[in-house]
Amino acid sequence: QVQLVQSGAEVKKPGSSVKVSCKPSRGTFNNHVINWVRQAPGQGLEWVGGTTPSGSANYAQKFQGRVTITADKSTNTAYMELSSLTSDDTAIYYCAKETKVGTGFYYGLDVWGHGTAVTVSS
Amino acid sequence: EIVLTQSPATLSLSPGERATLSCRASQSVSTYLAWYQQKPGQPPRLLIYNASFRASGIPTRFSGSGSGADFTLTISSLEPEDFAVYYCQQLTNWPRTFTFGPGTRVEIK
Repeated sequence: QVQLVQSGAEVKKPGSSVKVSCKPSRGTFNNHVINWVRQAPGQGLEWVGGTTPSGSANYAQKFQGRVTITADKSTNTAYMELSSLTSDDTAIYYCAKETKVGTGFYYGLDVWGHGTAVTVSS
Repeated sequence: EIVLTQSPATLSLSPGERATLSCRASQSVSTYLAWYQQKPGQPPRLLIYNASFRASGIPTRFSGSGSGADFTLTISSLEPEDFAVYYCQQLTNWPRTFTFGPGTRVEIK
């Protein structure tokens, strides 16, 4: 099965930005929907945002104005950029793929990346 | 914004016992609900999609049920590898957004 390969761990200063990448181990993303989910240390899962079947992006209200999710078809890579970082953004960031998107049916996030640890510290 | 509540927060059971996990939505999500299992140091793994369909490779001891606002994940007979944290997640279509529940930890009694 295809895997999602994410970029390496990052250490950032408060107020800076981080850009995390996600690429399939083989094949292309095609029209697959890519979502980004984060998990702070010892905490639960939190949806950050994701692309839509039409190719646009939606974001959790909490991150509106601070996050940008893009996909570069030429490099077959998805990106999540988060700006104005604070210590509360310290977390593991996962990309997760919806291999199938159906009308009236939810197929779930069936393939996950290994996660990228982002640490925000002065 | 739809809020998901999971209960109990922690479930202490022995191998071989039946586990029943609940997920309740603040409003109807139809069947746009999935369940995930997460073990320490690993990404989540999809177990159930569209409320009651087992994902590829998931053992038959895992089953999901429910629709609207009340959902249940049942593990019919716990295996040692099933002790983990379980999350429910819903999809809202307009706009296309997701929400996760806070999780239920299934621990060995």
